[in-house]
Amino acid sequence: DIQMTQSPSTLSASVGDRVTITCRASQSISSWLAWYQQKPGKAPKLLIYKASSLESGVPSSFSGSGSGTEFTLSISSLQPEDFATYYCQQYNVYPFTFGGGTKVEIK
Amino acid sequence: EVQLVESGGGLVQPGGSLRLSCAASGFTFSDYAMTWVRQAPGKGLEWVSDISGEGGTTHYADSVKGRFTISRENYENKLYLQMNSLRAEDTAGYYCAKFHRYSYYMEVWGKGTTVTVSS
Repeated sequence: DIQMTQSPSTLSASVGDRVTITCRASQSISSWLAWYQQKPGKAPKLLIYKASSLESGVPSSFSGSGSGTEFTLSISSLQPEDFATYYCQQYNVYPFTFGGGTKVEIK
Repeated sequence: EVQLVESGGGLVQPGGSLRLSCAASGFTFSDYAMTWVRQAPGKGLEWVSDISGEGGTTHYADSVKGRFTISRENYENKLYLQMNSLRAEDTAGYYCAKFHRYSYYMEVWGKGTTVTVSS
């Protein structure tokens, strides 16, 4: 199985900060990577697919990059509604696997 | 508007069975592969199973293979997850999700239903 490793596991930041989350795959997944946002008690929400494509309706403050085994999710200017947990997911090969999550907290 | 509504969760004893349902609306259900993803309390997301649009192709995580069965009724716009031989480690929130039509990222999620396996 492909292991997805996210770092950091927790990130403390302030409104207006630029934040970057890293996701590493244990083997190449080309660009078959998605990012999801999850708020407490809610379902995950798709943000980014194919590593860098922004889902319709998602603010342009979110961006994704990378290919192969290393990927990043960036938020250019953190807003109050962006405090949440973020997950990466590879869909290159079965079984589909998620990273362990990165919780973005208010500093 | 695309909507997915899960139901069927509850408390079940170890070794018991439960069938989850997911009612879909707002899109042509048979055109889309569907999936179940679960999340144990306080933990991350785990892909469980998926099924093709016509229902002929399925995949399972090793952790549920042989115990869970995914199915769908396209004329009813419903997705199912039959869960047998349940274990404590199956305790989780279960989400159904719709894949993109031509790829395997989860573009719409339901709100989830909770399964608790305990004596």
